[in-house]
Amino acid sequence: DAGVTQSPTHLIKTRGQQVTLRCSPKSGHDTVSWYQQALGQGPQFIFQYYEEEERQRGNFPDRFSGHQFPNYSSELNVNALLLGDSALYLCASSFGTGPYNEQFFGPGTRLTVL
Amino acid sequence: QKEVEQNSGPLSVPEGAIASLNCTYSDRGSQSFFWYRQYSGKSPELIMSIYSNGDKEDGRFTAQLNKASQYVSLLIRDSQPSDSATYLCAVNKDSGGGADGLTFGKGTHLIIQP
Repeated sequence: DAGVTQSPTHLIKTRGQQVTLRCSPKSGHDTVSWYQQALGQGPQFIFQYYEEEERQRGNFPDRFSGHQFPNYSSELNVNALLLGDSALYLCASSFGTGPYNEQFFGPGTRLTVL
Repeated sequence: QKEVEQNSGPLSVPEGAIASLNCTYSDRGSQSFFWYRQYSGKSPELIMSIYSNGDKEDGRFTAQLNKASQYVSLLIRDSQPSDSATYLCAVNKDSGGGADGLTFGKGTHLIIQP
């Protein structure tokens, strides 16, 4: 049973550039949530996708956008990169959108902005 | 603003002893509570979920929830060196239209001393 997968593993960009990160959910899951984890901090919720729509959003600017495809996979796009966007980006999948649904994380994408 | 507070540690526990990890949360409307384990350089791994007041046991792990005190804890019995990691407490609730997204604490760094 395949778990959550993410690509790429590592990415280096320069300020002002744009980046796209990808996520495939665990088999049987239909909901994808994205989190940003800075060094020494807990993950922070960016947004959640269900039925190809953004359902909930955390306190992140519009530079962060996403998409969900019919096969439930998802992309996170970040425009106009800032140095402060350097972090581990985590994708989590679950079945459904309720608060009792357990979320399982992928291995993450380490983004470095120079 | 939802907040989740954890003692950052490090918490040092001798091998074979009980490790006790604590977490408090500010939002009384929180409905679900999760403990994740995160090894250095890796992504969070779900250990336990708990939704009702009381204890929930799974192997060497016991989660405890007290909603009146807004307090969640995780006990690890017979601690092993492989339990050395950062333990993240997370909470969630439904503000309407689905879950808000997990709110995490900063994590407690646990060290099991052989």
